[in-house]
Amino acid sequence: AQTVTQSQPEMSVQEAETVTLSCTYDTSESDYYLFWYKQPPSRQMILVIRQEAYKQQNATENRFSVNFQKAAKSFSLKISDSQLGDAAMYFCAYRNAMNRDDKIIFGKGTRLHILP
Amino acid sequence: DAGVIQSPRHEVTEMGQEVTLRCKLISGHNSLFWYRQTMMRGLELLIYFNNNVPIDDSGMPEDRFSAKMPNASFSTLKIQPSEPRDSAVYFCASSLGLGQGNTGELFFGEGSRLTVL
Repeated sequence: AQTVTQSQPEMSVQEAETVTLSCTYDTSESDYYLFWYKQPPSRQMILVIRQEAYKQQNATENRFSVNFQKAAKSFSLKISDSQLGDAAMYFCAYRNAMNRDDKIIFGKGTRLHILP
Repeated sequence: DAGVIQSPRHEVTEMGQEVTLRCKLISGHNSLFWYRQTMMRGLELLIYFNNNVPIDDSGMPEDRFSAKMPNASFSTLKIQPSEPRDSAVYFCASSLGLGQGNTGELFFGEGSRLTVL
């Protein structure tokens, strides 16, 4: 069974600085998707960034980028120029790309605090 | 385009009562997921459907929980009888089926916060 591990329950970063959130996963599949979701206090789950496993290039979305290391099964999220609005719970997630078992598994989350 | 719609947003009930949570999928989506979120256990997958068919219900805690998709756009999660330990936020999420050119992401509703006294 696939698992997703986020080893940092909480992190803090100074406003305008850069922070990296860690995520590792375990799977025997070769084709899958990886995601980072953000959950602010409003509790709405918002997609931050996605990565297809077959793509070697790391995904980027404005201030958000990932470091995808397929061999190491690592998928970290880097937030540059942190802003107060980035304060939230961040979840790493994995999804098989095979229809027979395409459920999405989430890590337990990392709570990110932004210090003014 | 409307997103995933859940109701009720908040529910407070007494132990032993039946609770029904509802979810309307995004039009055209054919995968439906129910998650439960608590501080202690994080986001737990309860059950998911593809094309109205339950694929994996191994996360359903016990027989008190049941989920249905009476049609392609609507789902219910029922708890009967409810217990205080069922208190949590329940999320519904939908996606396009894989192989349809989509990138696998889930679209979440705003969640239903359940409190069982």
